[in-house]
Amino acid sequence: QKEVEQNSGPLSVPEGAIASLNCTYSDRGSQSFFWYRQYSGKSPELIMSIYSNGDKEDGRFTAQLNKASQYVSLLIRDSQPSDSATYLCAVNFHNYGQNFVFGPGTRLSVLP
Amino acid sequence: KAGVTQTPRYLIKTRGQQVTLSCSPISGHRSVSWYQQTPGQGLQFLFEYFSETQRNKGNFPGRFSGRQFSNSRSEMNVSTLELGDSALYLCASSLGGQGQETQYFGPGTRLLVL
Repeated sequence: QKEVEQNSGPLSVPEGAIASLNCTYSDRGSQSFFWYRQYSGKSPELIMSIYSNGDKEDGRFTAQLNKASQYVSLLIRDSQPSDSATYLCAVNFHNYGQNFVFGPGTRLSVLP
Repeated sequence: KAGVTQTPRYLIKTRGQQVTLSCSPISGHRSVSWYQQTPGQGLQFLFEYFSETQRNKGNFPGRFSGRQFSNSRSEMNVSTLELGDSALYLCASSLGGQGQETQYFGPGTRLLVL
C-alpha cells in the first residue's frame, strides 16, 4: 500500500512568517514529488515539483526533498493571507504514466 | 492556451442511476487522469488514459469506468450510483504522462447522489 502522510493541521502562522509544511511517503523508489494548493471549492493548482534531493526555490516557495528519509517539505516565506489554503503533497509512484497518491492535505491559515 | 475543461460542473442523480462525466485536456496533452475527492477520503486516483488505453488504475470498483477518444478527450462513467459516490470528480492532463510530468487539473464536476 503506497501512502503519503501529512499533518492535517490547521497550521496557523502570522502574516510575514515562514510556514513549513511536511510530507512523508512510503515507497523508497518514488521519483516525482509535487506540491499543490487548493482553495476551498476549487481544484488543486500546482505550486512546485521536485525530483532530486535538496532544495528547489521558486519565489517565496522552497521545496525540499530527502529521499533517504522519504521526506518532502514546502516552505512558504513571507506568508500572506492569500496563502491560506489546503496544501496537498502528491507522489507519483510510477515512472511510467501517472499514478499520483495524494496526502490528506495540510490546512494553512495565515493570520493578518 | 485553454486549460482543462470538465462538463458538467454540477450534477444531481439518484441512487441506481448512471452518470457520464466529460473532460477535455489541455491542447497537446495526451494523458488524462481522473480523481475522486471527498472530505473523508481526500483525493483518490481512479485511472489514467493515454492514447485511448487505460494505462494505470486505482482501487475503485468496476462500476467506475472510463475511455479516451482519439482527440484525447476522456469520459468517465459511474454505473449504479451509490450515496457514497457523491464527490468532486477531478480530471487532470499532462503531456505524455511520464512520471516527472506535471498534471494540470480541471475545475471538477460536483456530483450529488440522492
